Formats: sequence, C-alpha cells, structure tokens
Amino acid sequence: DARVTQTPRHKVTEMGQEVTMRCQPILGHNTVFWYRQTMMQGLELLAYFRNRAPLDDSGMPKDRFSAEMPDATLATLKIQPSEPRDSAVYFCASGAPTVNTEAFFGQGTRLTVV
Amino acid sequence: AQSVTQLGSHVSVSEGALVLLRCNYSSSVPPYLFWYVQYPNQGLQLLLKYTTGATLVKGINGFEAEFKKSETSFHLTKPSAHMSDAAEYFCAVRVNYGGSQGNLIFGKGTKLSVKP
Repeated sequence: DARVTQTPRHKVTEMGQEVTMRCQPILGHNTVFWYRQTMMQGLELLAYFRNRAPLDDSGMPKDRFSAEMPDATLATLKIQPSEPRDSAVYFCASGAPTVNTEAFFGQGTRLTVV
Repeated sequence: AQSVTQLGSHVSVSEGALVLLRCNYSSSVPPYLFWYVQYPNQGLQLLLKYTTGATLVKGINGFEAEFKKSETSFHLTKPSAHMSDAAEYFCAVRVNYGGSQGNLIFGKGTKLSVKP
C-alpha cells in the first residue's frame, strides 16, 4: 500500500535548535509539497518541488527555513534556528507527474518549539 | 495566480440533514479542483476531484460536488449527514499553466459538526 512517510511524527525542541523533518514520497511521484498547518493560518504552502527542483518556495521564510530533495526518495525541511512561532503540524504530500492528479498526504510532523 | 475561498469556517448540521460546503476559486485558466477531508490528528485524504468532462463528480462516503464555471464554484454536498462526517474539509485548486505549473493551493478549510 503506497503511502507518503514522514518522520518524525512528533518533535519537541528548544528554541534555537535545528529541526529536520523528512519525507519519503510515493515511488514514481515527481512532485513534492511541504505545507504548514496552524489554527490561525490554516494550511500554508511552504515549498513545491518538481523533479527535485524547487518551483515555488515563496511561502517559506528564507532566513531560517530550507527545503531540499537530495534524491527522488527523500525530501527534507529544515528550520535553523527554530522559534516558538514555528510550532505547527508540517505536512508533506507527493503527486504523480500529471497536473490533473491529486496529491497524497503524509501523516504530518507535529512540531513544538519551547 | 489562483486562489480558493471557502465560505464559512464552521458549519453545523443535524444527523440526516443535507451537507453543503461552499468553495469558490479564482483562476485565469481552466482549473483542476479537489476536495479533501481531514480527521483529527491525521493527514488529508482525497474525497473527490474534477479534472475534465462531467461537471458533477462523485466521491467517497456519499459526497459529490459540481463544477460551475460561470459561478467559479465547486460546492461539496451530501444528501444526509452522518456522525462520522464530522471533520475538516478543504477545497483545493491546481492549474496547468505558468512558472508554478501544478502548484496545489488550498482554501482555509471548513469544520463540519454533526449533531445527533
């Protein structure tokens, strides 16, 4: 059963620490999305990759956030240094090469920065 | 750029009543439209999608949605609500155009409550 896998599922860290979230997209999917979900802002797009290249990362605070795809099976989202306002659930989603298809979501990483 | 507006952040219905969740989109080119559902502490799951062809699309759990180009709408309905439908619902749009081709933009979500 193909699924998007995100690790860790939960992360509690202290302010100022580096946080790395990982995502394994579904095999064969060439698009990857990173979203952040909070009560106040809802579901915000942070970054969008196609064929491992970033197409849109305008929603990502560049000073502390970075997103990469070292290879087709791994996407990472890093926050350095982390701040309490980064506390949220971070979702990764992957999609097939055609635009008229849906994105499949992982279970999310719940990040708490204290 | 495309965008999605969901009218009503909270909707409450009685069990057995009609469910209507509203979604309007903005796009300069024909959009692909999606409805997702999110249960507590879970990721988003696809309910249904419109790409081309028939404008009335049926999804899982008895939900359906109708694409109305003239109204730029894609409202989600279900004839009879069930307690298990209580969740948050998100409308989303993708377009096959431009530098961010295929970007997936979501509305703010509508939380559905179902009263016994």
